[in-house]
Amino acid sequence: QQQVKQSPQSLIVQKGGISIINCAYENTAFDYFPWYQQFPGKGPALLIAIRPDVSEKKEGRFTISFNKSAKQFSLHIMDSQPGDSATYFCAARDSFSGGYNKLIFGAGTRLAVHP
Amino acid sequence: DGGITQSPKYLFRKEGQNVTLSCEQNLNHDAMYWYRQDPGQGLRLIYYSQIVNDFQKGDIAEGYSVSREKKESFPLTVTSAQKNPTAFYLCASSSPGGGYGYTFGSGTRLTVV
Repeated sequence: QQQVKQSPQSLIVQKGGISIINCAYENTAFDYFPWYQQFPGKGPALLIAIRPDVSEKKEGRFTISFNKSAKQFSLHIMDSQPGDSATYFCAARDSFSGGYNKLIFGAGTRLAVHP
Repeated sequence: DGGITQSPKYLFRKEGQNVTLSCEQNLNHDAMYWYRQDPGQGLRLIYYSQIVNDFQKGDIAEGYSVSREKKESFPLTVTSAQKNPTAFYLCASSSPGGGYGYTFGSGTRLTVV
């Protein structure tokens, strides 16, 4: 009930290609869905986030697509660049976490963009 | 600039020792969190705190302890009861006024020697 399932575990994309990372959840109490980007030896940084009343959000080359009925959301990175090589985490906030702002994270996807 | 400072960046612990990881934030955030990250795995919640003098166990609290005596500080102690403490530890904070996203520190890599 609390899980967020993320796939694939790793992804290799050529420069200029589209990177797609998928996440799925079961808990209908989730009300906020952020994506984080983490470079080696660093903490994750918030990349982009969406709420369930919106089906798509775009910020530059990064787009979240959200399918509420299927309980799935995905991150698309257009025109992928070697500098995008990092680990990406999806997450979801449980609105029924007793007043705590508690995020549940996916297992992460290691993206490598080859020149 | 506002942010979260974790120290030290690298920490080595001998078997049977307790060690304390520091986490300080100047973002005026109410909530603070500790996560553990192992290679190839996601982020697992150790402890979280909504306000001063209050904290809750996360999914993997055994072998860890925390305190929240000041809003800015949320130190994590890895005790000798934690049998496999080698990992990357991340501290985070959040505030309702800033949305629900977390701000993370740069992490502390703890190694048992």
